[in-house]
Amino acid sequence: QVQLLQSGAEVKKPGSSVKVSCKASGGTFSGYGISWVRQAPGQGLEWMGRIILLLGVANYAQKFQGRVRITADKSTGTAYMELNSLRSEDTAVYFCARVDTKNDFYYMDVWGKGTTVTVSS
Amino acid sequence: DIQMTQSPSSLSASAGDRVTITCRASQTIYSNLNWYQQKPGKAPKLLISGASSLQSGVPSGFSGSGSGTHFTLTISSLQPEDFATYFCQQTYTIPWTFGQGTKVEIK
Repeated sequence: QVQLLQSGAEVKKPGSSVKVSCKASGGTFSGYGISWVRQAPGQGLEWMGRIILLLGVANYAQKFQGRVRITADKSTGTAYMELNSLRSEDTAVYFCARVDTKNDFYYMDVWGKGTTVTVSS
Repeated sequence: DIQMTQSPSSLSASAGDRVTITCRASQTIYSNLNWYQQKPGKAPKLLISGASSLQSGVPSGFSGSGSGTHFTLTISSLQPEDFATYFCQQTYTIPWTFGQGTKVEIK
């Protein structure tokens, strides 16, 4: 069973950027894509975007358009999520998850353990 | 964006109880509905995809039903390890959106 290994916790200043990585065990992606989901302290899950691995095309939630970039390096089996212009409200745990599909339904079946990003001056 | 609304937001139940959680979509999503379980400090775990397809390894006490705009997750007999927060998610259109979650607590 593939695992997704995320990079370590980050502490950032407001206005700066963070780049979180998500590496597939064995160094090879499987499935349809990778999604990024975040969870602010004590809050629910918020979908940020996804990348379709075959095409290298990313889609983003409107809320994050212009501020987020999701990429994937198929040669190393690593996906990245970069978030710019950080503000305190971006303090959250950021999860990557494998997107797979069956019978034309999409779902996120393998998750990383999460990366805590703290934005504080 | 499609809004997903879960009810209740929380519930208290005893081991052995039958529990039903409802998820409503603001427009039709056909059967493009997933259910996840999340325990404190852990990543979500996929339980059900396509509204009713149980993931491999998920106990048969979990079931999902519904289509269109109204969906339910049922736990037939609550086990101690089932106390957690449950989220629905639509994957019919981008942006994929989650319900706000239902916390299942021990009575």
